[in-house]
Amino acid sequence: DVKVTQSSRYLVKRTGEKVFLECVQDMDHENMFWYRQDPGLGLRLIYFSYDVKMKEKGDIPEGYSVSREKKERFSLILESASTNQTSMYLCATAFGAETQYFGPGTRLLVL
Amino acid sequence: GENVEQHPSTLSVQEGDSAVIKCTYSDSASNYFPWYKQELGKRPQLIIDIRSNVGEKKDQRIAVTLNKTAKHFSLHITETQPEDSAVYFCAASIPGTYKYIFGTGTRLKVLA
Repeated sequence: DVKVTQSSRYLVKRTGEKVFLECVQDMDHENMFWYRQDPGLGLRLIYFSYDVKMKEKGDIPEGYSVSREKKERFSLILESASTNQTSMYLCATAFGAETQYFGPGTRLLVL
Repeated sequence: GENVEQHPSTLSVQEGDSAVIKCTYSDSASNYFPWYKQELGKRPQLIIDIRSNVGEKKDQRIAVTLNKTAKHFSLHITETQPEDSAVYFCAASIPGTYKYIFGTGTRLKVLA
């Protein structure tokens, strides 16, 4: 079974704080993704990585950055959290163009 | 750009009835169409997928149909049960990339 874990299920931060969300997978997948899920908007891609140290912007990258120093680990960074970044964040992994497998999600509240 | 429209946004059915969720995609070169189910508080999980060289695929009570000419695909759930209540997302692959574009989701409620 594919195992995708995220560092926190719930997180509360203050405006202006730097926030790190981490995703770890154990399936040796090259591709890792960060999505944001908001009611009525579905899943929107923030960033995508297709290899170590390789990244590509998704549809809504503003206010976010990512880091992939090791194949199994993909981090999403909010440099200066804002209230409009309150959301559910989902990590996913895939082998090539095959099925994406999701982590359990991190619900972030920015006050 | 690429777009996937999903309808309806909410759907209520009586237990035992069928449910149909429809998605339309914009890029005729899309070739992979997964469907995910997300129960409350849980991660999205793949329930069925279809590739563009197939018109229909079935797995027990769940089926997906694909009409490439019309650029739409549908999820069919027969003999619905309360545990089918969830949010369902369709997605279409973005040609030439490893990425998907997702629909906005359908909240299905199965009434006992």
